[in-house]
Amino acid sequence: AQKITQTQPGMFVQEKEAVTLDCTYDTSDQSYGLFWYKQPSSGEMIFLIYQGSYDEQNATEGRYSLNFQKARKSANLVISASQLGDSAMYFCSRGYSGGGADGLTFGKGTHLIIQP
Amino acid sequence: DTAVSQTPKYLVTQMGNDKSIKCEQNLGHDTMYWYKQDSKKFLKIMFSYNNKELIINETVPNRFSPKSPDKAHLNLHINSLELGDSAVYFCASSPGTGAGNEQFFGPGTRLTVL
Repeated sequence: AQKITQTQPGMFVQEKEAVTLDCTYDTSDQSYGLFWYKQPSSGEMIFLIYQGSYDEQNATEGRYSLNFQKARKSANLVISASQLGDSAMYFCSRGYSGGGADGLTFGKGTHLIIQP
Repeated sequence: DTAVSQTPKYLVTQMGNDKSIKCEQNLGHDTMYWYKQDSKKFLKIMFSYNNKELIINETVPNRFSPKSPDKAHLNLHINSLELGDSAVYFCASSPGTGAGNEQFFGPGTRLTVL
């Protein structure tokens, strides 16, 4: 199976610092999408940011940016100026092309804790 | 308005029982999914439906049977519940199939089998 690897099970970061959450992926596809989701302690899944495999520029959404390195199969999430409310689980995931409703393959997640 | 809703939010039941979880989306999406999140927070696709047709069944026991009466609904029925079925089940929807379709998740249903 083609995997998503998140190597940081947990991270502690001081408030207002920038955070980088690592994500690498396997794929033999040319066309794919990469997504990051946030899951706070309340349990809901919140979409953060998307990067298409053919996008030449790194995606940005407010304080979130995606450092996409296609040759390395890497899609790290960068959170600038972290806030206490950023404390949550973060999941990297990948969608497939091909016209099928293949769903997303998720990494195991990183538990981020922002300290005051 | 809630985009993807699930009922119930919590479900506690005995082993061997049969239960259903309902999911509805009001986004007009064509594709719906069920995911299971285990106790270690790992999320895995179970089923996907596109225009009411089953597309994926990811090696899920046949005690799990999804039903899609229309494009806006995808219900999950579970027969003969086992302890290992305890998990959080998420319904999701997307505008279509393909790699770039963001998935919108419901709030999840926490199933506890005693």
